[in-house]
Amino acid sequence: GQQLNQSPQSMFIQEGEDVSMNCTSSSIFNTWLWYKQDPGEGPVLLIALYKAGELTSNGRLTAQFGITRKDSFLNISASIPSDVGIYFCAGQEWTSGTYKYIFGTGTRLKVLA
Amino acid sequence: DSGVTQTPKHLITATGQRVTLRCSPRSGDLSVYWYQQSLDQGLQFLIQYYNGEERAKGNILERFSAQQFPDLHSELNLSSLELGDSALYFCASSVAGVNEQFFGPGTRLTVL
Repeated sequence: GQQLNQSPQSMFIQEGEDVSMNCTSSSIFNTWLWYKQDPGEGPVLLIALYKAGELTSNGRLTAQFGITRKDSFLNISASIPSDVGIYFCAGQEWTSGTYKYIFGTGTRLKVLA
Repeated sequence: DSGVTQTPKHLITATGQRVTLRCSPRSGDLSVYWYQQSLDQGLQFLIQYYNGEERAKGNILERFSAQQFPDLHSELNLSSLELGDSALYFCASSVAGVNEQFFGPGTRLTVL
């Protein structure tokens, strides 16, 4: 099925470092969402973006809705061990007369203490 | 805790069988979404219901069907199961069809 291009696929970082990941799409999206998933659990919503250019923060997390509406990035500052997990972006597009949700392929983050 | 509940948590069955997965959305949420996540894969959108009616369809196989009941809980029915259907199945809910979604803990289906 259709998925967003998310990069990097995985990353190992040292505790305290900043992290950046992004999503790109060939389609225009109306909404971008960022989720974190721990092993065996459901994704948990981190940040929701509704307008092109919007920059939103949630604690150490900051995400932006790209001006072209085809991309978004997520930054995590001063990473800590509990940031480990898989981060998914998701976009909402209007197609065939309805909204659909497309998820990225995920970025696996591992934080080394 | 997202407020979305799913049962059962685990399900093991054989090929050719039929199973039903159940989801109760957050209180007040009218939309329910179903997703499939295969091992180490992203989430594949299957289907969405809004207040009892089908709203959007993704990559849902004809062997799969879903419904949303008047009390807003939803069931995903998987029939003629194949080995490749083994996956985590997530339900999510939202207040309306265009808002952020909140995910349940998932049902892990294993087809032997």
